[in-house]
Amino acid sequence: QQPVQSPQAVILREGEDAVINCSSSKALYSVHWYRQKHGEAPVFLMILLKGGEQKGHEKISASFNEKKQQSSLYLTASQLSYSGTYFCGTETGNTGNQFYFGTGTSLTVIP
Amino acid sequence: EADIYQTPRYLVIGTGKKITLECSQTMGHDKMYWYQQDPGMELHLIHYSYGVNSTEKGDLSSESTVSRIRTEHFPLTLESARPSHTSQYLCASYRGTEAFFGQGTRLTVV
Repeated sequence: QQPVQSPQAVILREGEDAVINCSSSKALYSVHWYRQKHGEAPVFLMILLKGGEQKGHEKISASFNEKKQQSSLYLTASQLSYSGTYFCGTETGNTGNQFYFGTGTSLTVIP
Repeated sequence: EADIYQTPRYLVIGTGKKITLECSQTMGHDKMYWYQQDPGMELHLIHYSYGVNSTEKGDLSSESTVSRIRTEHFPLTLESARPSHTSQYLCASYRGTEAFFGQGTRLTVV
């Protein structure tokens, strides 16, 4: 049930780009992305609904491929503040009743 | 700013004790979830609720129980704490599919 994220961890220099992938073994109703700073609770970034995609922030966007049951989060021109662990959250089933979080991707941006 | 609160923030307790972790939200959300998370690791679903008198088990539910008597309150109870329960417990309420998390309870069982 739990979606799998890749990579597990990534280290970037400030200004570089990164892509985080989220794959599910079940058909997805929606995908949402969260960022969690060390010692803090996860914070919602954006949601992508079946049949569409949505950009949550100017330099952070995401795509949703329903056929492949995958979503990707794109971080462009990364900033130090982007550091944290990124989780995808998936809603499965036709009525979208089950919420599961992915395995997480640790992202570290260095100067 | 989300209005969801968890108490206590930190708890150290002896093996075998019964404990209840509190979670309250003032947003009127029907869906509430409990997750367990070890540092730097993924969130594991423990229990969830779709509304008053509705509770469902997640993947790690076997050693805990929940109740949902009021919309705003979703407490989690461990009947007999064990060292393996040492972890962070996060409560979330959902507006549609957007989750709002509490600050978590960091539990240590000695």
